[in-house]
Formats: sequence, C-alpha cells, structure tokens
Amino acid sequence: SQQGEEDPQALSIQEGENATMNCSYKTSINNLQWYRQNSGRGLVHLILIRSNEREKHSGRLRVTLDTSKKSSSLLITASRAADTASYFCATVNMFSGGYNKLIFGAGTRLAVHP
Amino acid sequence: KAGVTQTPRYLIKTRGQQVTLSCSPISGHRSVSWYQQTPGQGLQFLFEYFSETQRNKGNFPGRFSGRQFSNSRSEMNVSTLELGDSALYLCASSASGAGEETQYFGPGTRLLVL
Repeated sequence: SQQGEEDPQALSIQEGENATMNCSYKTSINNLQWYRQNSGRGLVHLILIRSNEREKHSGRLRVTLDTSKKSSSLLITASRAADTASYFCATVNMFSGGYNKLIFGAGTRLAVHP
Repeated sequence: KAGVTQTPRYLIKTRGQQVTLSCSPISGHRSVSWYQQTPGQGLQFLFEYFSETQRNKGNFPGRFSGRQFSNSRSEMNVSTLELGDSALYLCASSASGAGEETQYFGPGTRLLVL
C-alpha cells in the first residue's frame, strides 16, 4: 500500500520557472527520499532528508520536511526541459523494521516546456 | 562501477505460466529490494534480501517469491501468472541496507501477461 498522497498529480510549466511538488505521508518515519523516473524507466535517487532535518539543498533542488504535518515538498528551481519526469517521494520507517523498505507516494508528473 | 542490471528487460508470458527475473546489484552491495510498479497501484514493495536472508516482505501473495545468492545477485519468481501481474518490476541495491543510504535502481523488467 502507498504511504500517502502527492500533489499535484501533474504539473506543466515553462523552462526557467520553478516547480513545487508536495508529499504527505501517514506514519512515523526515519527519513524521506525523493526519486525521479523518466518514462517508465528505473528510479534515480535525488535527495534524502532525515526526520530531524527541516530543509536540505542539492544543486537546484530544495526539500523541506514538516514531521508535525507529515508532509514534505520538493522545489526544483530554474527548471529545464530535461527535468521532465515523474517525481516520487518515499519514506522509510525503521522503527517497524523497515530498513530499506521504501513506501512510495503516487508521484507527480512534471512536464517542462521549452 | 557498473550499475544495477536486470534481465530480461522485456518479457511476455501467458496466464498460468511462471517467470523468473534476475537482478545483479552494484558490486559490493549486499542489500537487494524488489518493487512492482503498475498504473493502478503505483510502486509497491515486494521484498528485501540482505546477505541471502529475506529481511522484509510486502503484502503480496505467496506466488511471489525471491532469493539471494552468495554473490548478492537476486532472483524473483512469480508462479501461476495472472493478468494483474503485468507490471514493471524494479530492483534496487544498497551497500549495507541500513535504511539511511542511497538505493540504486535498475532499469526494470517489463512483464506483460496475456
């Protein structure tokens, strides 16, 4: 079963604009991770944020985590056509023996138009 | 290092048959996880193996099984295939399976059941 919801389900923007995707989850977590998937291919790990962190940056990516609201957001700044992909959040709950068990959200389909 | 490889990449089977999918993790990685991706259910965790032991299992029927060999390569088997088993099957590997490290995904095996 999926952990939670992501919104929007689809997002269409122009190159150079920022893209924000949101993710909500249901249970306690140890960390939350964001992945990108191009056209039904394998997933690429983007960033991991631990439950005791509130914000993390990696290049053009900015992730926030609010454990009180059980939500996270992914911001991609100055988007490029190459950013067109599906983006998934995934949570890890090691308290229940989750270790490497990723619970994924439904994903956001991002289309960046030149 | 070579990435995670999965074979075969595409597979067509008929209902009632069985199938075996293979995953070779990144050299040195000891944890291998399997996921099923379908348009309806999204990305769902199947199971995780670490040092030849199944450490976690998702909510799938017993027709889905797996194993890991001493060289960390893993196979998953689906017996008595059903139409609903049509999906992209992804495997991921990580170094120690500690839950707070990057998981590297393979390109997936796309299974079509007719």
